[in-house]
Amino acid sequence: DAGVIQSPRHEVTEMGQEVTLRCKPISGHDYLFWYRQTMMRGLELLIYFNNNVPIDDSGMPEDRFSAKMPNASFSTLKIQPSEPRDSAVYFCASSFGTLYGYTFGSGTRLTVV
Amino acid sequence: SQQGEEDPQALSIQEGENATMNCSYKTSINNLQWYRQNSGRGLVHLILIRSNEREKHSGRLRVTLDTSKKSSSLLITASRAADTASYFCATDVRGAQKLVFGQGTRLTINP
Repeated sequence: DAGVIQSPRHEVTEMGQEVTLRCKPISGHDYLFWYRQTMMRGLELLIYFNNNVPIDDSGMPEDRFSAKMPNASFSTLKIQPSEPRDSAVYFCASSFGTLYGYTFGSGTRLTVV
Repeated sequence: SQQGEEDPQALSIQEGENATMNCSYKTSINNLQWYRQNSGRGLVHLILIRSNEREKHSGRLRVTLDTSKKSSSLLITASRAADTASYFCATDVRGAQKLVFGQGTRLTINP
C-alpha cells in the first residue's frame, strides 16, 4: 500500500479564494481524520469520519471549513473563502480506530496571502 | 484543548546517550500512543500502550505508563543522529474515538 496520499503537497492561494485539499486513505481503514498543525496551536483535530460518515466536526474552526467523504477511498477538506490565518499544514490520517495507530499522510502546506 | 503535555519542549543530547521524554494528560484514557515527526513530514506511529499496561518495548524504545499519575515516558536508548525529530504523545480519550496530541518534544541528537 502506498500509504495515505494527500494532494497537493503545497498550495499558495490568495485571500478569498476557495481551497480544496484531497486525501486517499489506506484501503480497509474505516476511520479518517483531518488535522491542522501550526506552531501556535500544535496539532488540532478538525473532523473525523467513520465508514464515510462524519462523526465529530467540533474542531472545524468556522463555517468556511467543510469536509466530505463521498466514498471509502476519498475525502476532501474545503476552505471557502480562505484567509491568511488558515495558513498551516493540514494532515489527513486513517486507521482502524484508536485501538490502533494512525497512518498519516505527508500533509498539505497551505499558505494564504 | 490539549489533552497531553510533553516535557521538555526541547532536548539536545550527544549521539549514543539516552533520551527521555515525558507526557502528562488530564482525563481517563483507553491507550496512549507516541509518534515521531521529522521536519516537513507527516507523523509516524511508534508505539501504543494500553491503559492496563505499565511498560512496553519496541527496539530501542521503552514506554511506561502510570495511570494513577496520568503520565507516560518515552525512552530512546543509544540515540542516533537519525532520531532527531519531534516526538508527540497522543491520548485516546475514553468515550471518544479520536486521538488528542500534545505539543511535542523537539529532540536533537548531536554527532
